[in-house]
Amino acid sequence: GAVVSQHPSRVICKSGTSVKIECRSLDFQATTMFWYRQFPKQSLMLMATSNEGSKATYEQGVEKDKFLINHASLTLSTLTVTSAHPEDSSFYICSATGTADLEAFFGQGTRLTVV
Amino acid sequence: AQSVTQPDIHITVSEGASLELRCNYSYGATPYLFWYVQSPGQGLQLLLKYFSGDTLVQGIKGFEAEFKRSQSSFNLRKPSVHWSDAAEYFCAVGDGGDDKIIFGKGTRLHILP
Repeated sequence: GAVVSQHPSRVICKSGTSVKIECRSLDFQATTMFWYRQFPKQSLMLMATSNEGSKATYEQGVEKDKFLINHASLTLSTLTVTSAHPEDSSFYICSATGTADLEAFFGQGTRLTVV
Repeated sequence: AQSVTQPDIHITVSEGASLELRCNYSYGATPYLFWYVQSPGQGLQLLLKYFSGDTLVQGIKGFEAEFKRSQSSFNLRKPSVHWSDAAEYFCAVGDGGDDKIIFGKGTRLHILP
């Protein structure tokens, strides 16, 4: 089946620095990618939807300037957490849908810890 | 290691028929369990979740799921499906003390008129 690779799986960074998370579709073209954030003991929160070649659509309450999303190609989307703070520490996961039947595939997730 | 298995990749049912989507998990303690639905081109929508308490959980859109610890299962059910239920369904397990979440590979539901 199709594979979505998310990298890194874990990252620790200092407050004030920026962190980039990559989401790659390895064997299919991902026309749409979704970025989610998981909080402890809560359900997944959709942060933004990105379509290749266009600006991401952010959900209400998600800071566009803080969570920069780029979807420059059909196989790669990146989420950059800018000027990270401890409250940004979380588990981030991406999913991608292809052109064939819009089936969704998930990355393995990234655990971000801001110290 | 934690894992989630959805054994059925595709399921086809007739409109008005009952539905059961299977989900099995592997986890050392009591997990947090979720069912999400994704319609084409849309993000995930939470159908229901189980954290503790009553093992039969009611969700939105007429869905329910039952946590069976002895079988490590959290199957999703609906007594009568509608054409609008055609979508992809994901079971997920979360760590109660953490925020990591693991998804099953999904089950695509097709509805026959």
